[in-house]
Amino acid sequence: GAVVSQHPSWVICKSGTSVKIECRSLDFQATTMFWYRQFPKQSLMLMATSNEGSKATYEQGVEKDKFLINHASLTLSTLTVTSAHPEDSSFYICSVRTPANNEKLFFGSGTQLSVL
Amino acid sequence: GQSLEQPSEVTAVEGAIVQINCTYQTSGFYGLSWYQQHDGGAPTFLSYNALDGLEETGRFSSFLSRSDSYGYLLLQELQMKDSASYFCAVSGGSYIPTFGRGTSLIVHP
Repeated sequence: GAVVSQHPSWVICKSGTSVKIECRSLDFQATTMFWYRQFPKQSLMLMATSNEGSKATYEQGVEKDKFLINHASLTLSTLTVTSAHPEDSSFYICSVRTPANNEKLFFGSGTQLSVL
Repeated sequence: GQSLEQPSEVTAVEGAIVQINCTYQTSGFYGLSWYQQHDGGAPTFLSYNALDGLEETGRFSSFLSRSDSYGYLLLQELQMKDSASYFCAVSGGSYIPTFGRGTSLIVHP
């Protein structure tokens, strides 16, 4: 399997500020990480695929200038919610996939973002 | 595109057997996965079916019929700790799963 660490677990911020969420792959080098967003009692929606050393691939409808993704190393990807607004309040989860288990996603613990 | 349908809620009693169905539509299919998510927690992988048939892992089993675009998750000997949301997810051409809306399983004593 894979161990994925995500921080912070929860964050409360004022409208207009930016928030950075970190996702670390602790026991293997992840060239690709996935960022999901989940509203209460809803599905996990793929926001973007984070690629080490190159630009992230965003899903249709996701604003890349709003949700900045940086994957500067093989163990760390960050998601920055810029100029956050209340509608950005959600549960954000990162995940990785190992070459040995291509069909299986390993998730971080998630970050609950609340924008006031 | 891809779409999945699963019931929004299922209730059962401890010790019972429950089946959560999932139907899907996808262009390109590699497999159907199931994930469990407790309130406030992260999803955890339960099973994956790429071929038709039943896969058994302890109390949990998963079934796939590719011709019917249908699968189900079977939970046996239900325990209170099984109360959670269960998501089916289909992997298409990109191998990145698309998730269903989830089924909330409530287990009563």
